[in-house]
Amino acid sequence: IAGITQAPTSQILAAGRRMTLRCTQDMRHNAMYWYRQDLGLGLRLIHYSNTAGTTGKGEVPDGYSVSRANTDDFPLTLASAVPSQTSVYFCASSDHGGTGNNEQFFGPGTRLTVL
Amino acid sequence: AQKITQTQPGMFVQEKEAVTLDCTYDTSDPSYGLFWYKQPSSGEMIFLIYQGSYDQQNATEGRYSLNFQKARKSANLVISASQLGDSAMYFCAMTPIQGAQKLVFGQGTRLTINP
Repeated sequence: IAGITQAPTSQILAAGRRMTLRCTQDMRHNAMYWYRQDLGLGLRLIHYSNTAGTTGKGEVPDGYSVSRANTDDFPLTLASAVPSQTSVYFCASSDHGGTGNNEQFFGPGTRLTVL
Repeated sequence: AQKITQTQPGMFVQEKEAVTLDCTYDTSDPSYGLFWYKQPSSGEMIFLIYQGSYDQQNATEGRYSLNFQKARKSANLVISASQLGDSAMYFCAMTPIQGAQKLVFGQGTRLTINP
């Protein structure tokens, strides 16, 4: 069982370039999330999706877009990368609305550097 | 809006001692969930423990327990009999029970266990 996979593991990107971070989960969770982690600031929510076909904005959505065409995939796109988007990006999923504590399971992260 | 505050940037503890990591929160949601995650130097986010605001008893998971004091809005993590492998960053987080499960994280506490 893979859980959540993210690709690429790391990337160096020139400012102004377009970049898509990929996220796939095999747990059939209905909800998925993207967070960024910067030094000293903990994790902050960028976008989320409660179910396939719907998305919502988190705390820091500007400069990012997402889509949720199916249950398993939740790509995050930077249309025109800027240096302030240098960060570690985590994808997560949860069984939203199901029994249990709605724990979010995290992927291994993508380290993105924008120069 | 929700807010998590972790006031201990770093803590140093001797192996086998118990340690308490502080977490206070603020929210206007009537029901909410509180989480603790561990992030070792390898970078992955590991779920440790969950406490629902409606739970009458404090949550426990092995060596981890959550000291939940609702009136004080605190959700401290207690690790008993600390081990060298407990050295990591620890994040407190919360989310409303109803609606989108948008986790809000604290800034984290770096715990170092000394032999």
